Amino acid sequence: QQQVKQSPQSLIVQKGGISIINCAYENTAFDYFPWYQQFPGKGPALLIAIRPDVSEKKEGRFTISFNKSAKQFSLHIMDSQPGDSATYFCAASIGNNNDMRFGAGTRLTVKP
Amino acid sequence: DGGITQSPKYLFRKEGQNVTLSCEQNLNHDAMYWYRQDPGQGLRLIYYSQIVNDFQKGDIAEGYSVSREKKESFPLTVTSAQKNPTAFYLCASRPPGQRRDGYTFGSGTRLTVV
Repeated sequence: QQQVKQSPQSLIVQKGGISIINCAYENTAFDYFPWYQQFPGKGPALLIAIRPDVSEKKEGRFTISFNKSAKQFSLHIMDSQPGDSATYFCAASIGNNNDMRFGAGTRLTVKP
Repeated sequence: DGGITQSPKYLFRKEGQNVTLSCEQNLNHDAMYWYRQDPGQGLRLIYYSQIVNDFQKGDIAEGYSVSREKKESFPLTVTSAQKNPTAFYLCASRPPGQRRDGYTFGSGTRLTVV
């Protein structure tokens, strides 16, 4: 069962534009929402994470927006750069993180 | 530098063979995980282990086996019972009690059935 739904599947953005990736979850017990960035042939790397007690978290050009009532969260990449081209995964977990659920991934391409 | 080492990077398996994927970490992490990645399906959990000599099945454990004899090592065996083993396999670990850090992933092993 897919407990975290991610969209879009692929995204093309011009350099300097804003990339937005959305995720929705079903289980209200989730209490940790990370985003991972994966380059081809590599493992995912933690990019940024949020907990449901805040509505937004910003780290540099990357921002997570969280809407607890709608059970949705999104990743915004400001001033997108070609080096941001990668696959992005949202995820959600409960408690001790032994059951982290991943979205299907979004392949982002930033055109120069 | 601390991290997770997966080997080999590429692996080819003939029909009916068992193959073992290696995962070693020097992060002193207790929990380790194996995920399978297929295009368009994200990451699916195969097995995880919270401590030495203990492991639990994930969502897609059928056709796979693991062992955890040492804290640093968590090898995955893809058995001949796994009917569709071609995929990208990722090993991950997590520090104890530090949920903020999320998982650390290895660079993966791409397994292809020939």
